[in-house]
Amino acid sequence: EVQLVQSGAEVKKPGESLKISCKGSGYSFSIYWIAWVRQMPGRGLEWMGIIYPADSRTRYTPSFQGQVTFSVDESINTAYLQWNSLEASDTAIYFCSRSIDFSGKSDFWGQGTLVTVSS
Amino acid sequence: QSVLTQPPSVSAAPGQKVTISCSGSDSNIGKNHVSWYQQVPGTAPKLLMYENAKRPSGIPDRFSGSKSRTSATLGITGLQTGDEADYYCATWDDSLTAVLFGGGTKVTVL
Repeated sequence: EVQLVQSGAEVKKPGESLKISCKGSGYSFSIYWIAWVRQMPGRGLEWMGIIYPADSRTRYTPSFQGQVTFSVDESINTAYLQWNSLEASDTAIYFCSRSIDFSGKSDFWGQGTLVTVSS
Repeated sequence: QSVLTQPPSVSAAPGQKVTISCSGSDSNIGKNHVSWYQQVPGTAPKLLMYENAKRPSGIPDRFSGSKSRTSATLGITGLQTGDEADYYCATWDDSLTAVLFGGGTKVTVL
């Protein structure tokens, strides 16, 4: 059974750093892209970008470029989303999902990680 | 304001049909496949349709998809209370070089 399991909810202060995770199982992790999607409170879905675990190729949506970093650890089938300095506007649920390509088709999704940034 | 435009809400009685439109442009829907997602509040999105009109296994044929030039449409027939959710279209945009989601449409079963 294909599963993406994300790390638990986080509460952080502005300026702090954070790394959340997405662990894949039940499939060949290396050969499927992992996409990251943001959902701010009461808002719609926003595609942040995508990473290919086999070689760590990444593509960021322009509005997220330089704001976050995607990474993977192939040895433990885990993808990461990282911030160096959080802002209150980063408060959102972050989903990871499995994609075969850039078409926007993601067939399996993680359960989401709620990140709350508040002083 | 999303580049892909969806109606904020649609509603119908149980057993009826609803359609949800997704309007884009030549750089996105005009050149690329469209996917559709269902999101029940508090849960992760679920893939409903891909490559405009294909259903993943397990998705009932009450759900249908189509695309014409720069617009796509999701149809739901035989509406059930379990269909109450937010629905999003998604596609690649060649100009923005990113996947775009529509703003989402809330389906209410009256």
